[in-house]
Amino acid sequence: AQTVTQSQPEMSVQEAETVTLSCTYDTSESDYYLFWYKQPPSRQMILVIRQEAYKQQNATENRFSVNFQKAAKSFSLKISDSQLGDAAMYFCAYRSARHDDMRFGAGTRLTVKP
Amino acid sequence: DGGITQSPKYLFRKEGQNVTLSCEQNLNHDAMYWYRQDPGQGLRLIYYSQIVNDFQKGDIAEGYSVSREKKESFPLTVTSAQKNPTAFYLCASSMESGGTTGELFFGEGSRLTVL
Repeated sequence: AQTVTQSQPEMSVQEAETVTLSCTYDTSESDYYLFWYKQPPSRQMILVIRQEAYKQQNATENRFSVNFQKAAKSFSLKISDSQLGDAAMYFCAYRSARHDDMRFGAGTRLTVKP
Repeated sequence: DGGITQSPKYLFRKEGQNVTLSCEQNLNHDAMYWYRQDPGQGLRLIYYSQIVNDFQKGDIAEGYSVSREKKESFPLTVTSAQKNPTAFYLCASSMESGGTTGELFFGEGSRLTVL
């Protein structure tokens, strides 16, 4: 079974600075999707960014970008110019292209210091 | 507006009682999912359904049951056999055709507390 590992239970960053959240995954498949979801205190899960495994170019969404290393099975999230509203739990997730279930890491709690 | 509606948001249950959490979506999505969230453990899959009248067990299905009689609805019953049901429950859905990117859309969750 596929597993997703987030090795940083907690991270903190100064407002306006950059932080990187780590994620590794284990799979024998070649075609899949990777995601970062944000869960603020409201507990609503919000999609931050997605990456298709067949795409070599790293995905970018405004201040959020990923470093996708397929051979290393690594998928880190970089948040630039951190804002107070970025404070949340961040979950890395994996989903096979067969579109069955989605697997989540344990999450990283991000604190943003003013 | 299109979305996923979970109810109730908060639910209290006495030990030995079954409770049902509702999940309705108007996104015309094929697949629906139930996840359980506990502190420090991320989201764990309980059940999922890719089509009406069919569903599969996830990693922690014991003590739970589901039905999928309509495309829009995927209720979860937490039975008295579930030993530790106090948790936050999230319902999600996804489109399974038309070149989608596999994203799951989530409801706002239901918090179940056993007294």
